[in-house]
Amino acid sequence: AQKVTQAQTEISVVEKEDVTLDCVYETRDTTYYLFWYKQPPSGELVFLIRRNSFDEQNEISGRYSWNFQKSTSSFNFTITASQVVDSAVYFCALDSGSGSRLTFGEGTQLTVNP
Amino acid sequence: DTAVSQTPKYLVTQMGNDKSIKCEQNLGHDTMYWYKQDSKKFLKIMFSYNNKELIINETVPNRFSPKSPDKAHLNLHINSLELGDSAVYFCASSQDWDPLYEQYFGPGTRLTVT
Repeated sequence: AQKVTQAQTEISVVEKEDVTLDCVYETRDTTYYLFWYKQPPSGELVFLIRRNSFDEQNEISGRYSWNFQKSTSSFNFTITASQVVDSAVYFCALDSGSGSRLTFGEGTQLTVNP
Repeated sequence: DTAVSQTPKYLVTQMGNDKSIKCEQNLGHDTMYWYKQDSKKFLKIMFSYNNKELIINETVPNRFSPKSPDKAHLNLHINSLELGDSAVYFCASSQDWDPLYEQYFGPGTRLTVT
């Protein structure tokens, strides 16, 4: 069985602060993929990143960075110098490859205040 | 051009009615999905089709019947609507059912059953 836990239900920061969204996953598969999606107030789901289980290299994309650690089964997401437009619900998801099915975490509501 | 489109965007109906939600993708993908997002924002897969064949059916009541007339379309028909069916329904597609390929989501259909 797969499970994704995002323990932070809501986070509120002030603009320009750095913020880290936590994601812990469970799977018995050795091959799996981890994802982050963003859901802004408009409601659509926006793909941010995919990581496979064999690639533990951290990734940076502009103000976004991701820290994948297999030893702790975590795939955390950091936004540097947050902006009001970053306000959204962020979902971490897992797909272990046994027939493509994304298992989502509960989501973290991030509010960036001006 | 919209990659994954859904109609309608909003659907308000009474208990006991039958309704359909349509989904179309113009990405040339082989695999399509339906997800349900409840009032607490929790996202859960319902169905997955690959090349018009059902590959995932996640213990969804048989009042829900997906239909894939061709690879570009996956419609969701719901019979005898219940209050608990109120949710946002997302259609998604991916190039193939291998999790190597990310899923692209439609804008969602907000279903309200009164």
